[in-house]
This record gives sequence, C-alpha cells and structure tokens, in this order.
Amino acid sequence: DVKVTQSSRYLVKRTGEKVFLECVQDMDHENMFWYRQDPGLGLRLIYFSYDVKMKEKGDIPEGYSVSREKKERFSLILESASTNQTSMYLCASSQGGESGANVLTFGAGSRLTVL
Amino acid sequence: GEDVEQSLFLSVREGDSSVINCTYTDSSSTYLYWYKQEPGAGLQLLTYIFSNMDMKQDQRLTVLLNKKDKHLSLRIADTQTGDSAIYFCADSNYQLIWGAGTKLIIKP
Repeated sequence: DVKVTQSSRYLVKRTGEKVFLECVQDMDHENMFWYRQDPGLGLRLIYFSYDVKMKEKGDIPEGYSVSREKKERFSLILESASTNQTSMYLCASSQGGESGANVLTFGAGSRLTVL
Repeated sequence: GEDVEQSLFLSVREGDSSVINCTYTDSSSTYLYWYKQEPGAGLQLLTYIFSNMDMKQDQRLTVLLNKKDKHLSLRIADTQTGDSAIYFCADSNYQLIWGAGTKLIIKP
C-alpha cells in the first residue's frame, strides 16, 4: 500500500520554538508539497519541491522553510513558531511529468498547536 | 488570482442523493478534481474529470462539468453515513487551486 507518512500526528509547542515536521513517501514521486489547512480556508500551499534539493515558494511561505535532501523526504521547518501557525499541516506527493492529471497522495496530517 | 468556491456545508438525509457544487474562475483548467477528507485523516482522491468531458460516472458518484459556466458538481447517490466527510473541489492548470471544502452532514 503506497503511503505518505507524517511522523507527528499531534504536536504542542511554545511560541519561539523551532518546529520540524517530517514527511516521507514510498512511491518514488518527484513532487512533494506542504499545505496548511484551516477551517473555511481550504488548503493553502506553503512550499513545494519538484526534485531533490529544489524548492519553490507557494502562496504562504512566510515564517516557513523546507528541506529536501533525499527524494523520499520533505521537511517543513518553523524557525520560530508563532500562535498564528497553529493549524493542520498536510504533506502530499505526486508523480512528475507535464501531462496527465496531477493526482496528489496525502499524508494523514500533523496538527500543530502553538501556545 | 484564480479562485475555486464551494459552499461550506450540505445536509442530506441518509438514502437521498447529495449534490456538492463548485465554481471556478480559471478558463485554462485542464483537470478538475474531487477529494474527500474523513475525520482525522488526510485527503484522498475521489475522482477527476478532464476539461473536455462533461460527465463522468463511477458507481455511486457522478461528476458533471459545465465548462461554459465554470461549474463542477459531484453527485453521490444513495448517501450513506460513511459518506460523512469534507469534500474538496480543485482545479489545475499549472498548480492546484483548492476550494474551501464542503462538509457533508448525513441526517438519519
């Protein structure tokens, strides 16, 4: 069964702490994504990556950074967590290629609370 | 920028049909998608439709696309309690643009 695994389902952090959210996929997918999900706002793209060591900003990158040192792993970093970063974070991956449907496989999500 | 809109809630009786609607603004969309999110889980793909089609059927699911009006709908026949979830519409040209999600509530 193909999977996207997010290592932490629930985290509680304090304001100013550094936070790492890890995501691993086992499908040899080229593309990986980090979204945040807030009620009534849907999914907003934070960062994405089309290849190892490659990253591109999404719609809301401020306050976040990412790392993709290996194809299967895409990490989201909050350098100094703030209360407005309390949210559900979703990792996803998809096969590369320019044609065809862009089908994403999602992890179960990481719910982060910043106090 | 491009936008995708959907109602936040839909309530139906068990056994009835559910119709979840979505409108989008990008006239260059190539594919349109429906994803389902069950409580406590990530999103999973339900179905997608290529923009040159106007209908796609898959068991209890029917997707209708009106490209002229930029309107997409998802019909779930014989709605069951297991269909309780949030349903997201998304369109894509280069990147995916997501709706806010419609929470489907099933009344007994």
